[in-house]
Amino acid sequence: QQQVKQSPQSLIVQKGGISIINCAYENTAFDYFPWYQQFPGKGPALLIAIRPDVSEKKEGRFTISFNKSAKQFSLHIMDSQPGDSATYFCAASKADKLIFGTGTRLQVFP
Amino acid sequence: EAGVAQSPRYKIIEKRQSVAFWCNPISGHATLYWYQQILGQGPKLLIQFQNNGVVDDSQLPKDRFSAERLKGVDSTLKIQPAKLEDSAVYLCASSPGGSYSNQPQHFGDGTRLSIL
Repeated sequence: QQQVKQSPQSLIVQKGGISIINCAYENTAFDYFPWYQQFPGKGPALLIAIRPDVSEKKEGRFTISFNKSAKQFSLHIMDSQPGDSATYFCAASKADKLIFGTGTRLQVFP
Repeated sequence: EAGVAQSPRYKIIEKRQSVAFWCNPISGHATLYWYQQILGQGPKLLIQFQNNGVVDDSQLPKDRFSAERLKGVDSTLKIQPAKLEDSAVYLCASSPGGSYSNQPQHFGDGTRLSIL
């Protein structure tokens, strides 16, 4: 019940395309859903986050869509750029304890 | 503001040896976390401190791992004795803490530990 399932494991997108990463959770007690971006040799960096009382949040080219009834949320990266090539982790949190997904390696080709 | 500082960046030891990692959180951050990130996986929480008290250490293998946060600032994580399966990146994170929950966690760049 504490798991967060993430897909796909890897994603290849052409420059300018849309990247979509999906996550699902089971524990309805989770109340905070952040996405982290991690470059090789670096720690994860917070990208965008959403709370379950909101269905969508947009920051620049990054959008989280949240479906509370389905217990699913997704990250959309519009106009994907080669600089977006990184590993992306979704996470779910309760009482400040993050449970991370398994990660999606995104490669954006020019 | 300065980020979360961790040292060393890399460490190679043989199994059954001991090792220690150091973390200096963002100034003023009350909550400090240690995570273990095995290659190809997401970070897994090992221990959470609020100031210098332990909030959650349920995932810490206490027979070999120990952590402390003296004076509510810096923290050290120790492994003794190390096993092959401890090969991973050890990440430290901090957040402001306080009355509001789910504040953003800021991560350091981690210590990559290799066990031979």
